[in-house]
This record gives sequence, C-alpha cells and structure tokens, in this order.
Amino acid sequence: KAGVTQTPRYLIKTRGQQVTLSCSPISGHRSVSWYQQTPGQGLQFLFEYFSETQRNKGNFPGRFSGRQFSNSRSEMNVSTLELGDSALYLCASSFDSGGDTQYFGPGTRLTVL
Amino acid sequence: TQLLEQSPQFLSIQEGENLTVYCNSSSVFSSLQWYRQEPGEGPVLLVTVVTGGEVKKLKRLTFQFGDARKDSSLHITAAQPGDTGLYLCAGDGNSGYALNFGKGTSLLVTP
Repeated sequence: KAGVTQTPRYLIKTRGQQVTLSCSPISGHRSVSWYQQTPGQGLQFLFEYFSETQRNKGNFPGRFSGRQFSNSRSEMNVSTLELGDSALYLCASSFDSGGDTQYFGPGTRLTVL
Repeated sequence: TQLLEQSPQFLSIQEGENLTVYCNSSSVFSSLQWYRQEPGEGPVLLVTVVTGGEVKKLKRLTFQFGDARKDSSLHITAAQPGDTGLYLCAGDGNSGYALNFGKGTSLLVTP
C-alpha cells in the first residue's frame, strides 16, 4: 500500500505570495491532518479534515486554510506569505478520526524569502 | 493546549551506550505516542501507550507511561548509529483528535 504523498517536496516563495500544498492520503483513509514544523515551535497542529469537512482547527491565522476532496485528497493554502511561514508542512492520514493512528508524509519544505 | 516538554533537547552519544529521554506534562493524556523522525522525512510512529504504568518494548527500545498518565520515558539500550534521529512524543489533544507534540529530543549516535 502506498504511503502518504505530498507535493511539492520543496518550494521557494517570496513574501506576499500565496502557496498551495497537496496531500494524497493512504488509500482508504478518510482523515487528513496538517501540521507545521519549525525548529523553534516544533510540530503544531493546523487543521484536520474528515469526509470533506473540517473537524478541528489549530491556533493559526485565517491566512492558513485547507480543503478536502471527495477522494480524500487534501490541499492547504497559505495566503500573503510571511517570512515566519517558512517551515516543513506535514500531512498525516488516518482511517478514521478520534484516536486512530496517524501516518505522516515526508512533508513540503516551504521557504519564504 | 496541553504542553509536552521533552528532555534533553540534544543528546550525542557513542555506539553501545544506553540513554533515556523524557516527556513530561502537567496534563493527563488518555494516550501518548512516540515517533522518530529522520532528516527529510515525516515522523514515523514507534509506539502508543494507553494505560498508566504501561511498559512496552520494541527490540532495544523500552517505553514507559507514567502511573498518572502525565509523563513517559523512552530508554534505548546499546544505541546504534541507526537510532540517530529526532524523537518526538505526542499526546491526544483536548479538542477533537489533534496531536500535541513535544519539541523533540535530537539524538546522534556516533560509531
């Protein structure tokens, strides 16, 4: 079974631009969660989608948004990029939400110049 | 947000040594997970502990969940270079299913 895939793996943007990251979960998994990882803050939860609905949201500004499609694939969007948005963005999928094991993708490394 | 503090932050040891890393919180967790993350990759789940006082072994790795379910430890026996990585603990959040992660312990094992 293929693992969680994320595209692109690396991305360089400039301040003020917007970016869209993509995540394809493990086949059959319906829950997708997004995390931001930085050296200073570690891994922080962004949001979780289950069956195309946002179930949970972390403490991030409205510039961070996401969506999930009917095939469970998910995208996250960051608008008006800031230097502090430079991070590794990780996607994790699970069969169900509510305590099921999460499997992480390799992440997208975003650099904002 | 339920905070998880991990210690030490960095650890550099030689092959064959033993080590213990800690994950502490003032909050109670219904479960706690340990992950290992290698450079350029996402975290990989090592173990989930659920019951207070529970001990789980995974080859040379021993995981313990505190009796009060507020803390956990990971002990590695006879560390090998392949154990090098970032070890993360994570607890279930209190708002739906969102993992709260510690900042991790970065382990370097040299031959």
